[in-house]
Amino acid sequence: ETGVTQSPTHLIKTRGQQVTLRCSSQSGHNTVSWYQQALGQGPQFIFQYYREEENGRGNFPPRFSGLQFPNYSSELNVNALELDDSALYLCATPPSPGTGVTEAFFGQGTRLTVV
Amino acid sequence: GNSVTQMEGPVTLSEEAFLTINCTYTATGYPSLFWYVQYPGEGLQLLLKATKADDKGSNKGFEATYRKETTSFHLEKGSVQVSDSAVYFCALLLFSGGYNKLIFGAGTRLAVHP
Repeated sequence: ETGVTQSPTHLIKTRGQQVTLRCSSQSGHNTVSWYQQALGQGPQFIFQYYREEENGRGNFPPRFSGLQFPNYSSELNVNALELDDSALYLCATPPSPGTGVTEAFFGQGTRLTVV
Repeated sequence: GNSVTQMEGPVTLSEEAFLTINCTYTATGYPSLFWYVQYPGEGLQLLLKATKADDKGSNKGFEATYRKETTSFHLEKGSVQVSDSAVYFCALLLFSGGYNKLIFGAGTRLAVHP
């Protein structure tokens, strides 16, 4: 049990549609990261939010966007879905060495299928 | 650039066999290193970690030693069980420009048979 909860667990969307994935942390971390894990590959960093602002981004196009709310829950939004967006999307509370947390805790993920 | 390379799978072993999954990395500085495990249909669970050179991480019979001279963090277990069947990911942690991110290898699938 990592204390990170994601919803929904599975989702099927049509190419061109938009999707919103959600994440919440029991402990109310002020930082959240999102990763994309394509089938048979390792997770890839999408972006990180700190206190409601994006403060780091991986090699993903602008149609991948996010929000973080005052209660530190978070959303990942993907516009104009493409078939290659089919993947497991993972939310994580990243390490925070300043607080002594040296590891990331991941949610169970949302499996997105684009048809 | 920064990257992680793992041995390709699948690795198929009989129960009680010895396991090694190789992992090497390329990174600037001295990153923290991790092994994560992913069971079917689930997210990632931290298996073990090491934060500096020569550190040995261990958990549930698995071990890995942070070797700076060979830039490696190989995962080992002396006697695997069927319940160890999963996908194993090696990862390094980078701090850059005020944020941090994990860089993962492609994963190694382990199948253990009775």
